[in-house]
Amino acid sequence: QSVLTQPPSVSGAPGQTVTISCTGSSSNIGARYDVHWYQQFPGAAPKLLIYMNTFRPSGIPDRFSGSKSGTSASLAISGLQAEDEADYYCQSFDSSLSGSVFGTGTRVTVL
Amino acid sequence: QVHLVESGGDVVQPGWSLSLSCAASGFTFSNYVFNWVRQAPGRGLEWVASISSDGGHRYYNKSLKGRFTIARDNMRYTLNLYMNGLTSEDTAVYYCARVETAGLSYHYDYWGQGTLVTVS
Repeated sequence: QSVLTQPPSVSGAPGQTVTISCTGSSSNIGARYDVHWYQQFPGAAPKLLIYMNTFRPSGIPDRFSGSKSGTSASLAISGLQAEDEADYYCQSFDSSLSGSVFGTGTRVTVL
Repeated sequence: QVHLVESGGDVVQPGWSLSLSCAASGFTFSNYVFNWVRQAPGRGLEWVASISSDGGHRYYNKSLKGRFTIARDNMRYTLNLYMNGLTSEDTAVYYCARVETAGLSYHYDYWGQGTLVTVS
């Protein structure tokens, strides 16, 4: 029951920049709720990557950056590295659900 | 160091009940809101339930149709999820996640390793 839409997959060569979109609606991202991003490796728990649209927790490389505009948000990974191969999820709050909503998830592949 | 450890996952039959626990350590448990988030095999993340820091406010994903109950024991640093009327649709890894409230909305700054519930 994902309310936020992401592309199923994106890929890029090492060193390139890839961007993942996250599209919501007027009850979540469009209602000015912040967007957050998580990285998840197979068999592991999600890890906070970006919070409040653009902020990186301590220890997250500045190759990861986030932005938000209107009813959408984006995660950019620059200088792509093999270790960035993972699933990425956006997350926000939805006023109609009175709870958290997640994106459909995007698999990043490094060619 | 923040540590969240879920337990209680099991293989159960449809219609059965199950209780999950999340043991917290390394921070003041009663200061934080907590959520349960689940992930079905090969699927994305799904919010399950939320409980306020004092346990007085609880919110649930409407898709659960009242079958789950979230609870906490601030003295024992424990978060719980009581699940009834389980169906195959509830098969998933269940994560407890600590909530950090900042700006507009909230995010999850720490997650447990998850516990697998299989309904079959």
